[in-house]
Amino acid sequence: AAGVIQSPRHLIKEKRETATLKCYPIPRHDTVYWYQQGPGQDPQFLISFYEKMQSDKGSIPDRFSAQQFSDYHSELNMSSLELGDSALYFCASSVSGTGIYGYTFGSGTRLTVV
Amino acid sequence: GQQLNQSPQSMFIQEGEDVSMNCTSSSIFNTWLWYKQDPGEGPVLLIALYKAGELTSNGRLTAQFGITRKDSFLNISASIPSDVGIYFCAGQLGGNTGKLIFGQGTTLQVKP
Repeated sequence: AAGVIQSPRHLIKEKRETATLKCYPIPRHDTVYWYQQGPGQDPQFLISFYEKMQSDKGSIPDRFSAQQFSDYHSELNMSSLELGDSALYFCASSVSGTGIYGYTFGSGTRLTVV
Repeated sequence: GQQLNQSPQSMFIQEGEDVSMNCTSSSIFNTWLWYKQDPGEGPVLLIALYKAGELTSNGRLTAQFGITRKDSFLNISASIPSDVGIYFCAGQLGGNTGKLIFGQGTTLQVKP
């Protein structure tokens, strides 16, 4: 079965650089969620999109922005990177209105800021 | 804001032993979930709980949703080495948001 695809799997950037993370949801899933997981921490909700519109917002820094495209894939753009942005970034997708049914996480992108 | 308190933080047990971990919250959640995460991978859903008091099993795993919808426990029976990993509880508030609030995680190590 198709899963949530995230790219790249690993990314190394320098401070003050920009990074773009991509997420391709499971086919026919219309909702995408982004989470950030710092070392030894639990995943923290950043932002979500439904039908290309932002549906909810968590503790996402102003330096980060995200969008969902017409094919439902989503991109998380991170600017002026800081050392503290080093983390695993997960994307999850689901079908709106189905609760947790089919809510699936990708394998994540490990971002290292040096 | 909403917060889940998960305990214990870590466990080191012998293969074949039973394991129990729990989560509590000051908030009421619509759905309560238990995930397992392997190093460098995304969380994988183990059990989802929808009704207050619900007791659900999935193989050697058993979880219950508290009557008040503010707590849950996960039991693993007869642990095996592949049970090693980090276990997270998570709550979903329901309504228009599908975001999950995670507990701090329980790191499980199993000695063969």
